[in-house]
Amino acid sequence: AQKITQTQPGMFVQEKEAVTLDCTYDTSDQSYGLFWYKQPSSGEMIFLIYQGSYDEQNATEGRYSLNFQKARKSANLVISASQLGDSAMYFCAMREANQAGTALIFGKGTTLSVSS
Amino acid sequence: SQTIHQWPATLVQPVGSPLSLECTVEGTSNPNLYWYRQAAGRGLQLLFYSVGIGQISSEVPQNLSASRPQDRQFILSSKKLLLSDSGFYLCAWSSGGIYGYTFGSGTRLTVV
Repeated sequence: AQKITQTQPGMFVQEKEAVTLDCTYDTSDQSYGLFWYKQPSSGEMIFLIYQGSYDEQNATEGRYSLNFQKARKSANLVISASQLGDSAMYFCAMREANQAGTALIFGKGTTLSVSS
Repeated sequence: SQTIHQWPATLVQPVGSPLSLECTVEGTSNPNLYWYRQAAGRGLQLLFYSVGIGQISSEVPQNLSASRPQDRQFILSSKKLLLSDSGFYLCAWSSGGIYGYTFGSGTRLTVV
């Protein structure tokens, strides 16, 4: 079974609009971390935001916020006021506390296209 | 500050040729190191991770191998490349804590 599921292969949004990228996860651990990364066409992986499983408040970083619904096992990324430079692939990832090596496990990604 | 170097940036290799991709980390000691592969337009697949010198764990059976000869050096190798080995290879390191996952700039490998 997939640990991280991103059901939206592609999303299209206009500048200045908000967009939500979906992510659901599967784990039996109580302690885990959820991450979002942005990958522009250059290929670099840019860290956006982190949410710990014990964090009571949703994480926010500038225009990025994470809508964390623990009971539903979802960790959706919300980008407010989209910009052309937001066009990229976005990955949701999870780290489980009991996972050897603490490697990140990634979803398949969502391609976001922002138009003017 | 910590930095991660990965090279080469691009590589075109014939089927059956060997491969060696190198990743080095500076500014930290005893990092956890990872190799990921990304097929075109797809997600990142964890290939190998290492928690110390000489300690390699493989996540996916494949044509590739990894080695960690020094604390901050991680090498991805193949004796004979296959067409299916084409992809974008990313090295990453972490301190093992919550944050600190840093990725290299990647190597685009095309096997022809």
